[in-house]
Amino acid sequence: EVQLLESGGDLVQPGGSLRLSCSASGFTFSRYAMNWFRQAPGKGLEWVSSLCDRGVSTYYADPVKGRFTITRDNSKNTLYLQMTTLRAEDTAVYYCAKDLLIYGSGTPWYFDLWGRGTLVTVSS
Amino acid sequence: EIVLTQSPATLSLSPGERASLSCWASQSVDYYLSWYQQKPGQAPRLLIYDASNRAAGIPARFSASGSGTDFTLTISSLEPEDFAVYYCQQRRNWPLTFGGGTKVEIK
Repeated sequence: EVQLLESGGDLVQPGGSLRLSCSASGFTFSRYAMNWFRQAPGKGLEWVSSLCDRGVSTYYADPVKGRFTITRDNSKNTLYLQMTTLRAEDTAVYYCAKDLLIYGSGTPWYFDLWGRGTLVTVSS
Repeated sequence: EIVLTQSPATLSLSPGERASLSCWASQSVDYYLSWYQQKPGQAPRLLIYDASNRAAGIPARFSASGSGTDFTLTISSLEPEDFAVYYCQQRRNWPLTFGGGTKVEIK
């Protein structure tokens, strides 16, 4: 079955750290760019970070730049998001998503497979 | 940053009616725009990419058009499962951005 499964969400104090994981199955993970998004409670979608197929090129939204790091392990079919110096405004459901097309084969940065999300709550 | 503005914020319609949702970009995104549907408690679902291409498995009642700064998503005849929030997203420039969403609710 083609799916993404996030894990690692938790309640963490402001200033704390957390690592999210996204386990992929059912497709050739190493051929696709991967992405993280978040959605604060009752709010809209926000792009967080993207990573090309080989992990060489990374992109970050300004609110997380310098605090979050996106990485992948293609041997484990897993995407990660290391989050540090967490703030209350980072509270959200975090989704990972797969790019629509194999990297380099067409227009990237559309997302056709999403996980169910993992909740990160930053509060004291 | 390219700002996407969606209108209306809420659309109240009955099943069988036609829905037209708008998305305006603060600067040209060419045709690099997509549409997503999100139901409560669920992840987003890709409907349309490159402004007018339906994603795999998306019913033909969903269509979209536009280029530059002005885009439209049309649902020709609303089915009960279409009541949801719809987001547009641009990939023309970093950062990737989404519109604020249009909620299509049952009248």
